[in-house]
Amino acid sequence: DAKTTQPTSMDCAEGRAANLPCNHSTISGNEYVYWYRQIHSQGPQYIIHGLKNNETNEMASLIITEDRKSSTLILPHATLRDTAVYYCIVRSQAQGSGYALNFGKGTSLLVTP
Amino acid sequence: GAGVSQSPSNKVTEKGKDVELRCDPISGHTALYWYRQSLGQGLEFLIYFQGNSAPDKSGLPSDRFSAERTGGSVSTLTIQRTQQEDSAVYLCASSLGLFAGELFFGEGSRLTVL
Repeated sequence: DAKTTQPTSMDCAEGRAANLPCNHSTISGNEYVYWYRQIHSQGPQYIIHGLKNNETNEMASLIITEDRKSSTLILPHATLRDTAVYYCIVRSQAQGSGYALNFGKGTSLLVTP
Repeated sequence: GAGVSQSPSNKVTEKGKDVELRCDPISGHTALYWYRQSLGQGLEFLIYFQGNSAPDKSGLPSDRFSAERTGGSVSTLTIQRTQQEDSAVYLCASSLGLFAGELFFGEGSRLTVL
C-alpha cells in the first residue's frame, strides 16, 4: 500500500472548519483513501473513504485532488469532541494486497474553545 | 451487542504469567483483526482472521503470542510468559469481509505487566 504523509499536529478553533491534509503521491489506481480517528482512550473510528470522487457523509467531507496524490479531510464545524488523532490510510481492495489497515502516526487535532 | 466487545477491559498481571484476551465481533462480520498500541505509539497490526483461519501469523511479535477464532465468531489472543514490554492496549476490530475497509473497533483491553 502507498505511504501517506500527514502533519504531526494541528489546531482549530471550535465552530470553524478543520482541514486535515494528507499526501499520498505514490498512490496507485486501485487504492482507496481511508480516514479514521482515535479519540483518547478509545478504539479508532471510521470516518470516510473514497477512490477519486469527493465524498461527504454526516461526519465529514473528503476532497481528493484530480491526480489523487493528495486529499483533505474537512470537518465543517469542529467541536471540542473532534479533538483526536486523525489517520489517513491508503489501501487497495484488490485480492492479495494485504488486508491490514496500516495506521501511521496521524495528525493530532486539537480543537480549542 | 451492537458493537465489538472486548474483555477484560483492564488486566494487571505479573511477569511470567499467561493472559487471555477475548474479542466478540459484530454478528455477521467474517473478518477479525487484532492490533496493539503501546503508550503514546501508533497501532501495530498483529493478525487477522477470515472465518476461523489466520493465513498470516507473521505480525505476531513472538512465539509467546497466539490467537484463535472459533465458530467464525469469538477470538482469543493468548500471551504466554508475559513480559513488561507486552504492556499495551490490545485492540480488536471486525469487518464484513477482508475487502471491506470499514473496520469497527472495540474499546480495547489494557494489559499491564508488572
